[in-house]
Amino acid sequence: DVKVTQSSRYLVKRTGEKVFLECVQDMDHENMFWYRQDPGLGLRLIYFSYDVKMKEKGDIPEGYSVSREKKERFSLILESASTNQTSMYLCASSLLLGANHNEQFFGPGTRLTVL
Amino acid sequence: GENVEQHPSTLSVQEGDSAVIKCTYSDSASNYFPWYKQELGKRPQLIIDIRSNVGEKKDQRIAVTLNKTAKHFSLHITETQPEDSAVYFCAASRDYGQNFVFGPGTRLSVLP
Repeated sequence: DVKVTQSSRYLVKRTGEKVFLECVQDMDHENMFWYRQDPGLGLRLIYFSYDVKMKEKGDIPEGYSVSREKKERFSLILESASTNQTSMYLCASSLLLGANHNEQFFGPGTRLTVL
Repeated sequence: GENVEQHPSTLSVQEGDSAVIKCTYSDSASNYFPWYKQELGKRPQLIIDIRSNVGEKKDQRIAVTLNKTAKHFSLHITETQPEDSAVYFCAASRDYGQNFVFGPGTRLSVLP
């Protein structure tokens, strides 16, 4: 069974704190993604990674960084959390380009509130 | 870059009726178009997808049509049921699914 897990379902942090969101997949997927989901805006890509130690900026990378030290784990880092980063964060993974089926498998999401 | 628009933002239908959600995209190089369904409090899941070399694809009560010339694609759900109530997201990709741009979503409510 396909599994993408995220470290927390709910998180409350204060402005200026450093925040780590962890994502783990057990499908040996090469690609991993971080999105934020806001009402009326859909899923917006923050960062993605095609391989270990590699990362690419998505559409809204400002204020975020990522780390991929192992194939199964992709971390999203908020260096100094701000209130406008209050959102639902979704991680996803998929097979490498060229696979016949490029479905993205999503984690359950982390609802982050920054006070 | 790619821009995906989706309409309507909300849709209410009577149980048993059909529902249609439309998306337009801007990048003519896009070649893969998935649809994801997100039930309340749950993660998005793929329900159907279509590649640019196909004009239509059907899977039981759901179908997707693609018009490459006009750069739009649509999701059709027939004989709607209450369990179809969810938010539906379309997406477009120019590299067969390596990286998606999602539409803003459509909240579908199927009324009993």
